[in-house]
Amino acid sequence: GAGVSQTPSNKVTEKGKYVELRCDPISGHTALYWYRQSLGQGPEFLIYFQGTGAADDSGLPNDRFFAVRPEGSVSTLKIQRTERGDSAVYLCASSEVNNGEQFFGPGTRLTVL
Amino acid sequence: KQEVTQIPAALSVPEGENLVLNCSFTDSAIYNLQWFRQDPGKGLTSLLLIQSSQREQTSGRLNASLDKSSGRSTLYIAASQPGDSATYLCAVGGAGGFKTIFGAGTRLFVKA
Repeated sequence: GAGVSQTPSNKVTEKGKYVELRCDPISGHTALYWYRQSLGQGPEFLIYFQGTGAADDSGLPNDRFFAVRPEGSVSTLKIQRTERGDSAVYLCASSEVNNGEQFFGPGTRLTVL
Repeated sequence: KQEVTQIPAALSVPEGENLVLNCSFTDSAIYNLQWFRQDPGKGLTSLLLIQSSQREQTSGRLNASLDKSSGRSTLYIAASQPGDSATYLCAVGGAGGFKTIFGAGTRLFVKA
């Protein structure tokens, strides 16, 4: 079956702009995670959804970052007033149950000029 | 605060060698531990998931062990092949919480 998909695969934006990154989890997976990964580092946890609600958003770096999952399936990560330090690969993962095996999408490479 | 460390950071071995990758974590109150591989410019591929109540998991040439009390996991790769060249990441899922903490990875290169 289809895996986790993320769009766009690449996003280039200018400092100060607003961006949205989309994640389509595996059908039926209730848990959804967002991470970001910088070069040479492991993924850094941002936020976790169980169904429609954000069960843990402690990894969001500041209030410029926000994520939603209104119908418990597709999720959107929103970044306001982007900064050059936001440049990274943003990864999404889903799992069938809470704390189950996570399956990752290919990521969105965000570049802020 | 949970911290995850992977040693070595990089490893180069000849084809056919058996090898061990190490992962250590500071807080033993974990829910599970998952090993992934990541090819350059790609997402993560799940290799093995070990629940906190388990001691090891096996898949083909891969075997992962978990010792919660000492805060360690190892990934054993038998008869390595050039196609095994990738970065291997371990990730710890927190007990009672949802945050998953990753190590920085071990970059493996298997020479033909």
